[in-house]
Amino acid sequence: NAGVTQTPKFRILKIGQSMTLQCTQDMNHNYMYWYRQDPGMGLKLIYYSVGAGITDKGEVPNGYNVSRSTTEDFPLRLELAAPSQTSVYFCASGQTRDRVNQPQHFGDGTRLSIL
Amino acid sequence: QKEVEQNSGPLSVPEGAIASLNCTYSDRGSQSFFWYRQYSGKSPELIMFIYSNGDKEDGRFTAQLNKASQYVSLLIRDSQPSDSATYLCAVKFGTVSGANNLFFGTGTRLTVIP
Repeated sequence: NAGVTQTPKFRILKIGQSMTLQCTQDMNHNYMYWYRQDPGMGLKLIYYSVGAGITDKGEVPNGYNVSRSTTEDFPLRLELAAPSQTSVYFCASGQTRDRVNQPQHFGDGTRLSIL
Repeated sequence: QKEVEQNSGPLSVPEGAIASLNCTYSDRGSQSFFWYRQYSGKSPELIMFIYSNGDKEDGRFTAQLNKASQYVSLLIRDSQPSDSATYLCAVKFGTVSGANNLFFGTGTRLTVIP
């Protein structure tokens, strides 16, 4: 029972480089989310998706892009890495329960450093 | 500005005691509230959610909601060392079905002393 799988677990990038953080879930959840968590802080929503082919911006989308071609996969793209993007990135999935939807299952996170 | 406030702690309680974690929020129209537990270096996990005034119990955990005071709390009874973690309060500002309106507090670090 894999749940939400994120790769890589750790990455160091140089300023200006680009990379894709991978996220896949095997629970057939419609909702998927990308959060970032800076040290000592709560989670902030970057992008989210309510189903395949549908994505939208969250609270802090600048510098990131996403796609959702399948229900399972929700990759996050950093085009021009900046030191301010040093953070831990969590992918999450969820479904509606009691009329409420919220991230219920989180991946293990990707620890990203931009130097 | 949507704000979710938590005391960062650390909150220390002896094993077997009741731990009380508190959270206040800025939007009186908020309708649903969530508690996540996060062990150091790990991902958050959903403990419980509440959207009606009053108490909601699940095992050793009780969530309490007072919308008039814009206050939600989490009680952990018979605290165990394994409960030592950071507890994140999250609030949905706006519709319960919205997917982009969950805002997190910075978390309260709980330490249960054996």
